[in-house]
Amino acid sequence: EVQLVESGGNLVQPGRSLRLSCTASGFTFGDYAMSWVRQAPGKGLEWVGLIRSKASGGTTEYAASVKGRFAISRDDSKSIAYLQMNRLQTEDTAMYYCTRAGLSALIDYWGQGTLVTVSS
Amino acid sequence: QSVLAQPPSVSEAPRQRVTISCSGSSSNIGNNPVNWYQQLPGKAPKLLIYYTDLLPSGVSDRFSGSKSGTSASLAISGLQSEDEADYYCAAWDDRLNGVVFGGGTKLTVL
Repeated sequence: EVQLVESGGNLVQPGRSLRLSCTASGFTFGDYAMSWVRQAPGKGLEWVGLIRSKASGGTTEYAASVKGRFAISRDDSKSIAYLQMNRLQTEDTAMYYCTRAGLSALIDYWGQGTLVTVSS
Repeated sequence: QSVLAQPPSVSEAPRQRVTISCSGSSSNIGNNPVNWYQQLPGKAPKLLIYYTDLLPSGVSDRFSGSKSGTSASLAISGLQSEDEADYYCAAWDDRLNGVVFGGGTKLTVL
């Protein structure tokens, strides 16, 4: 059974940094791209970015709203994906979901999410 | 404003059929497959339809997906109260180099 467990969500002040982790199990982690999706309170889903598998170059893509501030990385030996968030803004307040990217980079599995609140 | 356009809400009576539309462009739906997700209140989204019209294991065959040109549709037949949820479409966008979502459609079963 595929499981994705996020951690690291917290209350943080604007301008600060936070790192989220996603521990995966139930599949060969290194074979898949992993992505992050967020959902602001009462709003829709927003794709944050992805990291491809090493076999596909391990490259990353980001939404325009986070490019240059957020960075996704992975540790295949531990089956963990990370989302490093820098220069956080109040509009980054959201539930952050770790997801597995399947066919055509589209999401096929979701974690339960971890809440990030950016407020002074 | 979402790249993919969905109606904010739809409603229909139990046992009836409802369709949710998702309109995009040649850089996303027109050239790539579409996934649909169901998000029950207070829960994480769940994959409902993948690769435009394929059903994941365990998903009821009351759900179906289709695509024509730059628009996709999700159909739900035999509506049940437990189908009340938010539904999202998604596709890869070749121009933006990322996944784009619809704004979501809230389904109410009357």
